[in-house]
Amino acid sequence: QQQVKQSPQSLIVQKGGISIINCAYENTAFDYFPWYQQFPGKGPALLIAIRPDVSEKKEGRFTISFNKSAKQFSLHIMDSQPGDSATYFCAAIYNQGGKLIFGQGTELSVKP
Amino acid sequence: ETGVTQSPTHLIKTRGQQVTLRCSSQSGHNTVSWYQQALGQGPQFIFQYYREEENGRGNFPPRFSGLQFPNYSSELNVNALELDDSALYLCASSLGRGRDEQYFGPGTRLTVT
Repeated sequence: QQQVKQSPQSLIVQKGGISIINCAYENTAFDYFPWYQQFPGKGPALLIAIRPDVSEKKEGRFTISFNKSAKQFSLHIMDSQPGDSATYFCAAIYNQGGKLIFGQGTELSVKP
Repeated sequence: ETGVTQSPTHLIKTRGQQVTLRCSSQSGHNTVSWYQQALGQGPQFIFQYYREEENGRGNFPPRFSGLQFPNYSSELNVNALELDDSALYLCASSLGRGRDEQYFGPGTRLTVT
């Protein structure tokens, strides 16, 4: 019930392409869904986040799509760049400000 | 504005020893959460502190303990270290107990031999 399942485990995209990472959850009490970007040897950096009353949120090249009925959400990276190569984690939280529950991560590689 | 800082960067300990990791929260943030990230995995919640009180705990044994100080900095203590404790330990701070945005520090890489 508290799991967040993320796919794919790894992703290779050509420069300029669209990267898509998907997550699914079971607990309908989750009310905040962030995405984090992590480079090797660094801590996760908050990228973009969404609440379930919104179906889409866009910030620059990053877009979250949210499907409340399907309990799924996804990250789209438009015009992917080699500098986007990193591990991406989806996460969920409930009980306002409580613990973040992370997906397993997706290692993205953008080829020039 | 100063971000979340952690010390030390790397640490090597022997099984059975004790370790203390430190975190300074982002300016203005009064809530600190600790996470353990094993290699190739997502971070796992250890516990959270709000205004010096523990405010939630994950599925970690009592040998994992913490403190938060009046300036909102925090410590994570691990006793009787085991090989499986080898991981990246992350600290995250947020503006308050009811605020969801958590900002992570660079982490402390702990190796237990």
